[in-house]
Amino acid sequence: EPEVTQTPSHQVTQMGQEVILRCVPISNHLYFYWYRQILGQKVEFLVSFYNNEISEKSEIFDDQFSVERPDGSNFTLKIRSTKLEDSAMYFCASRSGPALSTDTQYFGPGTRLTVL
Amino acid sequence: AQRVTQPEKLLSVFKGAPVELKCNYSYSGSPELFWYVQYSRQRLQLLLRHISRESIKGFTADLNKGETSFHLKKPFAQEEDSAMYYCALSRPAAGNKLTFGGGTRVLVKP
Repeated sequence: EPEVTQTPSHQVTQMGQEVILRCVPISNHLYFYWYRQILGQKVEFLVSFYNNEISEKSEIFDDQFSVERPDGSNFTLKIRSTKLEDSAMYFCASRSGPALSTDTQYFGPGTRLTVL
Repeated sequence: AQRVTQPEKLLSVFKGAPVELKCNYSYSGSPELFWYVQYSRQRLQLLLRHISRESIKGFTADLNKGETSFHLKKPFAQEEDSAMYYCALSRPAAGNKLTFGGGTRVLVKP
């Protein structure tokens, strides 16, 4: 069964550094999402992406964040200048969809980002 | 704004006992409700969703619009049900982003 994959599984970085988290969604999926979970807190929506543009973003997703689908397979989340409070588990998800359907979102295993 | 509340952080039950995980939501429209499960060291995966009205691994959940609840139930818990359970809501008209509750850890003791 196809799965969403994410790399790396764990990323350690220094405050102020740029990080890129990578995701490979399921191949025929059209809608892509990033969520994050700070330790002990809820899973929070960051951004959704469709047709090569952001369709919705949360207030967390400020100018330090960007997403990109550089080729036909990868979906990346970039944090330009990491802060201590960016330390979290970041989940990528994808679904097939048309827009108003309730197709299941399939989640990747997550990338644990630690900012020192 | 939508919100999902799971009042119990931890539920500990004995094998064979019933288990009920509470989920309440606030949203003025017609949301879609889901239960996701995360077993140890595994990814989040969909357990069930209200529109399917199906039973998965013995779990059922009924959407009660009057009480704005979507509680998850299983009559006889098994040790393999030990996991983290998340209730989530999406608004199909808003790109289907998921709003999650805080999660309930279920521990089924032998």
